Amino acid sequence: AQSVTQLGSHVSVSEGALVLLRCNYSSSVPPYLFWYVQYPNQGLQLLLKYTSAATLVKGINGFEAEFKKSETSFHLTKPSAHMSDAAEYFCAVTLNSGYSTLTFGKGTMLLVSP
Amino acid sequence: NAGVTQTPKFQVLKTGQSMTLQCAQDMNHEYMSWYRQDPGMGLRLIHYSVGAGITDQGEVPNGYNVSRSTTEDFPLRLLSAAPSQTSVYFCASRRPPGTGGIYGYTFGSGTRLTVV
Repeated sequence: AQSVTQLGSHVSVSEGALVLLRCNYSSSVPPYLFWYVQYPNQGLQLLLKYTSAATLVKGINGFEAEFKKSETSFHLTKPSAHMSDAAEYFCAVTLNSGYSTLTFGKGTMLLVSP
Repeated sequence: NAGVTQTPKFQVLKTGQSMTLQCAQDMNHEYMSWYRQDPGMGLRLIHYSVGAGITDQGEVPNGYNVSRSTTEDFPLRLLSAAPSQTSVYFCASRRPPGTGGIYGYTFGSGTRLTVV
């Protein structure tokens, strides 16, 4: 079985500041990890994913995440926040084995102030 | 355009009514799944299917039924709707493992259900 913990249900940053959204995972076998973004009243959009290639993964809109096996983490970062980044972000994990299901964290709402 | 299509986009039900949420994909994905999204809870897996004729329960299956008669369709049935089933429902699919290409899930745009 696998699980995901997102630290902080809400994160507030100023425009231009560093964005750091935390995600820790638990899995019995090598995981595949994902970050999704959801804008108000919209569906899920894939930001980036880790599938056992490079540990530093670059995604859309300037976001990136680093897979750290020793820390069981997959934190999402962006050097400079923009107002348009305000949204809810979900970390998700599945296992690199068979038909493993996709398990989501509870989400982190990113608030960006001018 | 290839993808996952969910219908309807919005629905209001009365307590005790039944309905079916439709999900169809045209990518020949064997794996399909249903999630519900509630504030502060993330997305929780209701049911999933690894191919036609094969379904299994996820984290929150109570009150929901599914069947998979074709590769393309994976409907979710609410037999007797309850206010606790007010939620946003997402359907997702992905290709079988080991078939190459970019690994990932494709999500539908969601169905917003209100049970009064």
